[in-house]
Amino acid sequence: AQKITQTQPGMFVQEKEAVTLDCTYDTSDPSYGLFWYKQPSSGEMIFLIYQGSYDQQNATEGRYSLNFQKARKSANLVISASQLGDSAMYFCAMRETVNDYKLSFGAGTTVTVRA
Amino acid sequence: SAVISQKPSRDICQRGTSLTIQCQVDSQVTMMFWYRQQPGQSLTLIATANQGSEATYESGFVIDKFPISRPNLTFSTLTVSNMSPEDSSIYLCSALGQDHSGANVLTFGAGSRLTVL
Repeated sequence: AQKITQTQPGMFVQEKEAVTLDCTYDTSDPSYGLFWYKQPSSGEMIFLIYQGSYDQQNATEGRYSLNFQKARKSANLVISASQLGDSAMYFCAMRETVNDYKLSFGAGTTVTVRA
Repeated sequence: SAVISQKPSRDICQRGTSLTIQCQVDSQVTMMFWYRQQPGQSLTLIATANQGSEATYESGFVIDKFPISRPNLTFSTLTVSNMSPEDSSIYLCSALGQDHSGANVLTFGAGSRLTVL
């Protein structure tokens, strides 16, 4: 069964606008972590933001924020004030405690920022 | 968080040959992993590189095809053996570290993009 689902293969966003990338997850582990990574065309994986399952507040890191809705098992990434350099593939990932720090990745969403 | 250097960054290989990818971390880390990303796909975990013992492979990956070494806490290698065009992928090394808030985070190398002809 798919642990991480990203339903948006690709998205376009206007420069300076905000964009929300969807991510839903499936786990029965009460302790887990959710991550977002950015992969530019160069191929490197850049860590953006982390949300722990017990965290009371939504995580924020600069222009990135994570909209964590535990009951709905969703962890959407919001990128505010989009920049041309934000054009990349974005992956949602989950780590379950029982899986010993290994990450399961979603299929990814390609974001293209238009000037 | 740890800084990871991978080499080669890219290579073009002939069918039937083998290639070893090196991964160097700038600090000692307890856990290292190797991932594969086939063209247009997401990342799939190949194995956990264990220091001083055999790697732990995920379903669908075997040691004969992807031998892994980890002689110490800062270095690991992945060999892709007897390559075929289906092995054309980006291979990524990762290490477990902590971000500024103390959360355990996987940091990745820049990846090794292999093309098998």
